[in-house]
Amino acid sequence: GAVVSQHPSWVICKSGTSVKIECRSLDFQATTMFWYRQFPKQSLMLMATSNEGSKATYEQGVEKDKFLINHASLTLSTLTVTSAHPEDSSFYICSVPDRRVGELFFGEGSRLTVL
Amino acid sequence: DQQVKQNSPSLSVQEGRISILNCDYTNSMFDYFLWYKKYPAEGPTFLISISSIKDKNEDGRFTVFLNKSAKHLSLHIVPSQPGDSAVYFCAASVGTGRRALTFGSGTRLQVQP
Repeated sequence: GAVVSQHPSWVICKSGTSVKIECRSLDFQATTMFWYRQFPKQSLMLMATSNEGSKATYEQGVEKDKFLINHASLTLSTLTVTSAHPEDSSFYICSVPDRRVGELFFGEGSRLTVL
Repeated sequence: DQQVKQNSPSLSVQEGRISILNCDYTNSMFDYFLWYKKYPAEGPTFLISISSIKDKNEDGRFTVFLNKSAKHLSLHIVPSQPGDSAVYFCAASVGTGRRALTFGSGTRLQVQP
């Protein structure tokens, strides 16, 4: 079964609204989770690293005030796209490292469409 | 600057033949490499990985080859099956497991029946 769960799998919203995406680790606890973004026909690009108990670390060019990350517990990280604009429309994917097996597991992804 | 490159955006092969997907990297600090398979609107699915201490890793129909001097790796799928049709991403990291990955741009593989 799934090891990492993302919700919602797709969302359509109006420009200017905020959207929250959840990433849950179902099988193990994770102090770190990664958020990626994929634009059509492009690669998955790391946006930020979510850290339980501390602030997220953002990659260069990613606005931390626009993409709010909260690592609420050892099994949950949320990404909130604030004041979404059409250019934020993308496929957002989280991944969770499993220290026990040394592998990264990915969620199913969340497709955001901003009208 | 793209640190992981997949220069072929697409590849088409006949069922039963070998599929070879290529990947080049520029960051010499990368020491762990992975291949993922991805269908539209789904998250990537792990296929196979290789550590820089090896030059080959095999798992069933999938074999990954690593040429460190050329900073090049390839994924061989043999025999190719129609169900293998998907986008394949090469990824690399410094260290294993807990590290974020740097992905290539992907190669769309189409296996013709």
